[in-house]
Amino acid sequence: SQTIHQWPATLVQPVGSPLSLECTVEGTSNPNLYWYRQAAGRGLQLLFYSVGIGQISSEVPQNLSASRPQDRQFILSSKKLLLSDSGFYLCAWNYGGGYEQYFGPGTRLTVT
Amino acid sequence: QKEVEQNSGPLSVPEGAIASLNCTYSDRVSQSFFWYRQYSGKSPELIMSIYSNGDKEDGRFTAQLNKASQYVSLLIRDSQPSDSATYLCAVNVIQGAQKLVFGQGTRLTINP
Repeated sequence: SQTIHQWPATLVQPVGSPLSLECTVEGTSNPNLYWYRQAAGRGLQLLFYSVGIGQISSEVPQNLSASRPQDRQFILSSKKLLLSDSGFYLCAWNYGGGYEQYFGPGTRLTVT
Repeated sequence: QKEVEQNSGPLSVPEGAIASLNCTYSDRVSQSFFWYRQYSGKSPELIMSIYSNGDKEDGRFTAQLNKASQYVSLLIRDSQPSDSATYLCAVNVIQGAQKLVFGQGTRLTINP
């Protein structure tokens, strides 16, 4: 069976500090991978998606970036965090041929 | 802009009653529709998928799809307090990596 991991689970960072969130998927190969952000009381905003190693598509221009250094690893980064970057960051995956997405446990980021 | 709209609620339903959640979408060519359940502080969990017009039943859950009206709904029979959560409707985007567009979610409360 497939499992998706995210870490850390919770993070408190000062404004202007860097960020690195990691997501890994087990039990499948060549998945599509997605990063979402959910602000408090809001819906899911797609940030980045990837169909393969080194292939990243950005949905929303901002101070975040993503990388996929390995088939089942997806990383979300920032050089300098803003207060508006606070939120619940979710990684999701799906099979190349389907639309159903499965979410990891998420990382709750608070920028102070 | 492809959109998915849901009533944000809160929707309050007595225990044992039927909860009805509704969703409309704007892209006529969408073919895949999903309902996710999200408990407070947790990540979304896929509970129903529907691809064809009509009803699809899974236990106490029934998803209904009407493509002509661009309308999808979720019925929860014999509602339990454990069904209290936010329910997210998601619809596929045709272009690019099996993306989904999510509604803002409907917060459901089941009252004992």
